[in-house]
Amino acid sequence: GENVEQHPSTLSVQEGDSAVIKCTYSDSASNYFPWYKQELGKRPQLIIDIRSNVGEKKDQRIAVTLNKTAKHFSLHITETQPEDSAVYFCAASGRGSQGNLIFGKGTKLSVKP
Amino acid sequence: SAVISQKPSRDICQRGTSLTIQCQVDSQVTMMFWYRQQPGQSLTLIATANQGSEATYESGFVIDKFPISRPNLTFSTLTVSNMSPEDSSIYLCSVEVGEDGGYTFGSGTRLTVV
Repeated sequence: GENVEQHPSTLSVQEGDSAVIKCTYSDSASNYFPWYKQELGKRPQLIIDIRSNVGEKKDQRIAVTLNKTAKHFSLHITETQPEDSAVYFCAASGRGSQGNLIFGKGTKLSVKP
Repeated sequence: SAVISQKPSRDICQRGTSLTIQCQVDSQVTMMFWYRQQPGQSLTLIATANQGSEATYESGFVIDKFPISRPNLTFSTLTVSNMSPEDSSIYLCSVEVGEDGGYTFGSGTRLTVV
């Protein structure tokens, strides 16, 4: 089955700097890759996603890149703000768009003012 | 996008008892997913619930421990049976929000077993 590895487990940046979180997946049939932000005590919230027919997607300060050949995808946050502090999870859909999500272990991002 | 109502939001239960968690979606969905999030950990898929058929369980999860019902296309329940302190976790349901809408989660049920 699908396996998703996520790095780093913790990331501390200064406000205004960029943050990059990387994930790799194992199942070449996976075709949907979302990123979730989870604040303490709250449900995961989808912040951006990408499908396998696209190499890059951007939404304001957030971007995701996908390398299908290498089976890895990354989250890029620019101009970080203290409110970006949270745990971020990558995921891959192990059985196509109608399948379930397999999650990485998460990255705790801390943005210092 | 779909809105999921999940309840209870939290509960404290005695070991050996069972708790049923409910998720109601405001639109019809083919599949509903149940996840467990242990303290400080990631989300682990428990099972996929299809309407009209038995749920599909992931490795390490069995129907006797986590029976699931899916009586219609907007509702599902997950029961945590014969609970032990190791079952203390957050349980979340999830649905796919349309073809390009990603997956959304219920608000979660924080379960503490004492």
